[in-house]
Amino acid sequence: AQTVTQSQPEMSVQEAETVTLSCTYDTSESDYYLFWYKQPPSRQMILVIRQEAYKQQNATENRFSVNFQKAAKSFSLKISDSQLGDAAMYFCAYRSAMNFNKFYFGSGTKLNVKP
Amino acid sequence: GAVVSQHPSWVICKSGTSVKIECRSLDFQATTMFWYRQFPKQSLMLMATSNEGSKATYEQGVEKDKFLINHASLTLSTLTVTSAHPEDSSFYICSADRGGSGELFFGEGSRLTVL
Repeated sequence: AQTVTQSQPEMSVQEAETVTLSCTYDTSESDYYLFWYKQPPSRQMILVIRQEAYKQQNATENRFSVNFQKAAKSFSLKISDSQLGDAAMYFCAYRSAMNFNKFYFGSGTKLNVKP
Repeated sequence: GAVVSQHPSWVICKSGTSVKIECRSLDFQATTMFWYRQFPKQSLMLMATSNEGSKATYEQGVEKDKFLINHASLTLSTLTVTSAHPEDSSFYICSADRGGSGELFFGEGSRLTVL
């Protein structure tokens, strides 16, 4: 079974600074997708960034980038130039490419942004 | 965009009654819809997945007779909590797969309170 682990329940960052959120996962599959989703207080899940396992290049979306280490099964999210609006719960997620019905989330990291 | 609408956003019911939550993909046809349950300050727990016209696939430990899922069309899935009890109180989130990108698009969530 696939599991997703986020070891940081809560983190804080100063506005305009950079923060990295950690995520590790366990799988025996070679092809899969990884995601970071943001859940603000409104509770609506918003996709931040996605990575296909077969791609070696790390995904980047504006201020958000990932460090994908397939051999280490690690998928960290770096937020640069943090903004107050980045404050939210961040969830790492795994989706099997073999069984598309398997889409699992980590336990989440609460990110606080200090002005 | 890819918009998923969930209704109602908040429902309060008496113990023993049944409650139906609707999930609609507004601007795309969803190949698969996912239902999650989220307890306060916790992660999303996958309950079941549904495909149009097929029986839902439930995760281990989820009572299929308690949580009835119907996927009537490519744009509508419903979750019915039958004979609800206070322990069923939770935040229920649906998501839809548009196909191709691997990501899921999420509804706004429904908060169920059973008195």
